[in-house]
Amino acid sequence: DAGVIQSPRHEVTEMGQEVTLRCKPISGHDYLFWYRQTMMRGLELLIYFNNNVPIDDSGMPEDRFSAKMPNASFSTLKIQPSEPRDSAVYFCASSRGYPVDEQFFGPGTRLTVL
Amino acid sequence: GDSVTQMEGPVTLSEEAFLTINCTYTATGYPSLFWYVQYPGEGLQLLLKATKADDKGSNKGFEATYRKETTSFHLEKGSVQVSDSAVYFCAFRESYIPTFGRGTSLIVHP
Repeated sequence: DAGVIQSPRHEVTEMGQEVTLRCKPISGHDYLFWYRQTMMRGLELLIYFNNNVPIDDSGMPEDRFSAKMPNASFSTLKIQPSEPRDSAVYFCASSRGYPVDEQFFGPGTRLTVL
Repeated sequence: GDSVTQMEGPVTLSEEAFLTINCTYTATGYPSLFWYVQYPGEGLQLLLKATKADDKGSNKGFEATYRKETTSFHLEKGSVQVSDSAVYFCAFRESYIPTFGRGTSLIVHP
């Protein structure tokens, strides 16, 4: 099992540009989560999906952030336009729903917005 | 609301010292409890878990016991190694949404 796969691992972009982060969850997992990690705020849950359907996006900071899951094996997190305060490490995680099980995290995407 | 409180770090120890990282939680029901570890430049990975009261989770010499009466899940290790240097996150999961603590950084010196 390859685990959760994220790409790119590092992204450097300029303010105002569009950024797209990608995630492939573990096969058979029906929950997918997007997190953001910063020194100031720690680990924040942005949005999660169940069976490809967005369930709770209350953690998405602004309308500039959007996430999609077109199928069970792929999800994207898009920031448009990006701002320097979006600089962080973004993690994708997946899990089974029942029994309540641990999450499996990807290696993260380190985003730097100049 | 639901929350997890961890001791603030960094925790700095010498190799072979005893480790305790405290964790308490506030939840309405009977959650599953987890410790995750994050090594530098990596994602979080599960270290151990416990799913009901008095269960003890253990892995790689680390242990934690689910204490329902004190709503705690303290992480312990009898003899830490330099390779244990990482950030440790306490978490619980009562519904499908997990709740994480802020993380505790552990630094182990030779």
